[in-house]
Amino acid sequence: QSVLTQPPSASGTPGQRVTISCSGSTSNIGSSAVNWYQQLPGSAPKLLIYRSSQRPSGVPDRFSGSKSGTSASLAISGLQSEDEADYYCGARDDSLNAPVFGGGTKLTVL
Amino acid sequence: QVRLVESGGALVKPGESLRLSCAASGFTFSNYHMAWIRQAPGKGLEWVSYVSLSYNTVYYADSVKDRFTISWDNAKTSLHLQMTRLTGEDTAVYYCATVMDVVATVVDWWGQGTLVAVSS
Repeated sequence: QSVLTQPPSASGTPGQRVTISCSGSTSNIGSSAVNWYQQLPGSAPKLLIYRSSQRPSGVPDRFSGSKSGTSASLAISGLQSEDEADYYCGARDDSLNAPVFGGGTKLTVL
Repeated sequence: QVRLVESGGALVKPGESLRLSCAASGFTFSNYHMAWIRQAPGKGLEWVSYVSLSYNTVYYADSVKDRFTISWDNAKTSLHLQMTRLTGEDTAVYYCATVMDVVATVVDWWGQGTLVAVSS
């Protein structure tokens, strides 16, 4: 059971905006930046958002991240079929003195 | 272009040992932090170990502490993970990864992974 909680699933239709949440505590999200990773089926994960809201070069601006208090969110606007993937949040937990991932959210594009 | 290529994954019996390797290229190896992250079949991501040469720090997850050892070779720009006393819980795809920011735990590049299966 991860200290970062994500909904197991999310869905949306093409063109829609969807958000995926990542809930934590003061010892992780509340005191650390949050990163988001996308894992397409059969592929390795890929960095999507880092330090809560920064996009690496090459990541479309349809993807955005935000953080407030002990929660973070990944928003995907203009949803496309190729966005169907598993999404993971990650952060450092100061109480555990360890890096942690959320359990992951499977996004389905209907 | 950063390239990370893992090798060494295999089917082993419980209690046996295995050594994973990661050949790295396309970046200055000694300037980076490096990690092993695993994913059990159908499960989520789990940090296994990381090494930060600049911070002189090595991290191991509690689940692997005292059984796994991370090492690196600057000259050959390779990362290794020596795994001992393997159990079924260690069955997973093991990813080699670069960590852009070890404090904020930003994993910026991932290899394709190597499968370790532990079964009798």
